[in-house]
Amino acid sequence: SAVISQKPSRDICQRGTSLTIQCQVDSQVTMMFWYRQQPGQSLTLIATANQGSEATYESGFVIDKFPISRPNLTFSTLTVSNMSPEDSSIYLCSVERQRLSTDTQYFGPGTRLTVL
Amino acid sequence: GENVEQHPSTLSVQEGDSAVIKCTYSDSASNYFPWYKQELGKRPQLIIDIRSNVGEKKDQRIAVTLNKTAKHFSLHITETQPEDSAVYFCAASKKDFGNEKLTFGTGTRLTIIP
Repeated sequence: SAVISQKPSRDICQRGTSLTIQCQVDSQVTMMFWYRQQPGQSLTLIATANQGSEATYESGFVIDKFPISRPNLTFSTLTVSNMSPEDSSIYLCSVERQRLSTDTQYFGPGTRLTVL
Repeated sequence: GENVEQHPSTLSVQEGDSAVIKCTYSDSASNYFPWYKQELGKRPQLIIDIRSNVGEKKDQRIAVTLNKTAKHFSLHITETQPEDSAVYFCAASKKDFGNEKLTFGTGTRLTIIP
């Protein structure tokens, strides 16, 4: 598996502000992803964080709202910009690591964001 | 893009009985199907996965079956225990196509009744 940490674990923010979430992995990984999980819902991929290049965003998510950095192979940040109450969710990073003969995704503990 | 449907959305099972959760996928090129268990307030954790060159895989009380022709796969939990209570998510992806992203099902809330 992988040891993945996220900071902060939770936060309460005012609308119109921005929050940057950090994801740290215990060793180098090629693939890192950011997901959103709204209350009681499934996981939705926001973007793939690419090292050394711009992130690849999924339909419905844009860089201006969710800028992502990936400065090296063990770290990434996701910023939630100009927040509104609709952004209240759990944000999770995941990484791909090899398990047996297959690369598998492992998740960080998540950041619980509440926007007032 | 890929679409994954999951049923049922909730499932209650008497302790000791079996539970089955089913998923269907739309993209015939998908070839990797993991299952995640998410306990309340915790991160999703991989419990079992299967690749499309295998029809069935078992790990103790958990098994996954795959029918490529029908494009569906199922999670089977036998001899259920209270600690099996959680939300279970299926997912699909196309490995080795340069597109490793997972598409998740909507989740099944499994409750084991003591």
